[in-house]
Amino acid sequence: NAGVTQTPKFQVLKTGQSMTLQCAQDMNHEYMSWYRQDPGMGLRLIHYSVGAGITDQGEVPNGYNVSRSTTEDFPLRLLSAAPSQTSVYFCASSYSKGGQAYEQYFGPGTRLTVT
Amino acid sequence: GENVEQHPSTLSVQEGDSAVIKCTYSDSASNYFPWYKQELGKRPQLIIDIRSNVGEKKDQRIAVTLNKTAKHFSLHITETQPEDSAVYFCAASIEGYSTLTFGKGTMLLVSP
Repeated sequence: NAGVTQTPKFQVLKTGQSMTLQCAQDMNHEYMSWYRQDPGMGLRLIHYSVGAGITDQGEVPNGYNVSRSTTEDFPLRLLSAAPSQTSVYFCASSYSKGGQAYEQYFGPGTRLTVT
Repeated sequence: GENVEQHPSTLSVQEGDSAVIKCTYSDSASNYFPWYKQELGKRPQLIIDIRSNVGEKKDQRIAVTLNKTAKHFSLHITETQPEDSAVYFCAASIEGYSTLTFGKGTMLLVSP
């Protein structure tokens, strides 16, 4: 299994540009999430999905859109990039069984710089 | 929503010493508490987790304790080694929900 994969690894955008960060998992996990990581701020939840066709907002959703058309893929779209969106973005997937939560598996991250 | 506070933000110890990182949470409904380790430039990886039906869990040099009454949980690393140097994150969630709320992280530096 490849686990959770993310592309690209690095990206530089100009203010106002749009782009999509790709995330895929091959573990058949129902749950997928996007986090951003900024120095001293920990990991903050942007959007998450509990299954194909179902998404919801996290703590910091403004400026981002998501969709979940398949179990495997969960892309994150930046609509109009701003310097405040400079960050490292992590995608994660997980599952639950019998009501118990299990480990979130993280992708390798995408380092985004907006100039 | 849930709020997780983590202390200290940085921790320096000598090799062989013990290290303790503490977290508090606000939502009494939270019942799943994982700890993640993130090495420089790498992704976070789960090192240990605890559920609210137990008070302590150990895995070799790592242990986690949970005090539900005080809404407090801690990570204990004994006999620290230089390879333990990393950022450690605590998190909390309600089982059956898919999201985690993370603390801001603790940078642990173990000096030889």
